[in-house]
Amino acid sequence: GDSVTQMEGPVTLSEEAFLTINCTYTATGYPSLFWYVQYPGEGLQLLLKATKADDKGSNKGFEATYRKETTSFHLEKGSVQVSDSAVYFCALPLAGTYKYIFGTGTRLKVLA
Amino acid sequence: GAGVSQSPSNKVTEKGKDVELRCDPISGHTALYWYRQSLGQGLEFLIYFQGNSAPDKSGLPSDRFSAERTGGSVSTLTIQRTQQEDSAVYLCASSLENGRYEQYFGPGTRLTVT
Repeated sequence: GDSVTQMEGPVTLSEEAFLTINCTYTATGYPSLFWYVQYPGEGLQLLLKATKADDKGSNKGFEATYRKETTSFHLEKGSVQVSDSAVYFCALPLAGTYKYIFGTGTRLKVLA
Repeated sequence: GAGVSQSPSNKVTEKGKDVELRCDPISGHTALYWYRQSLGQGLEFLIYFQGNSAPDKSGLPSDRFSAERTGGSVSTLTIQRTQQEDSAVYLCASSLENGRYEQYFGPGTRLTVT
């Protein structure tokens, strides 16, 4: 069945380091793909999305490319900031239903 | 415009009591979702609504959990005879349409069962 696999955290980086959070998926067809972010004490909010293969979603310096060859949607940022410390979730809608599948989340901690 | 709101933001209750959690979605959003997030865990899907109907209740953990949505807007998640394992953050989300559009999440209700 459809699924999302995220790299386990926590990920601890120094400020200005390069970030990659891996996300791979198994899906029927080519669903839209999403990254959500949850800052401490807040609800989830959409970070970026891609609606078809080879699309690149970007926001706040983060990017992710929808790669159907590798069934991946890895999240990247060239230079992280302390304010990026949060939990990041990869997600996709389950084919044929209205449910969304979320990854388990990856906690990122950025040190000054 | 206003986002998704949830109330209460925090709820402490004694084991065995019933609780009601409320969600006000974004106006015009036809789809509404409930999730549960336990400490350090990912999101657990509970139920979704399309309008006032709930085609998929498969995620509800037990028959102590129920939800309704009225007028295609406000939704209430009810937990009867709460247990300590029900302690979690309950998140509500809404979207324009199921399966294609991003979900907008509320801040959640933190439920603590003592």
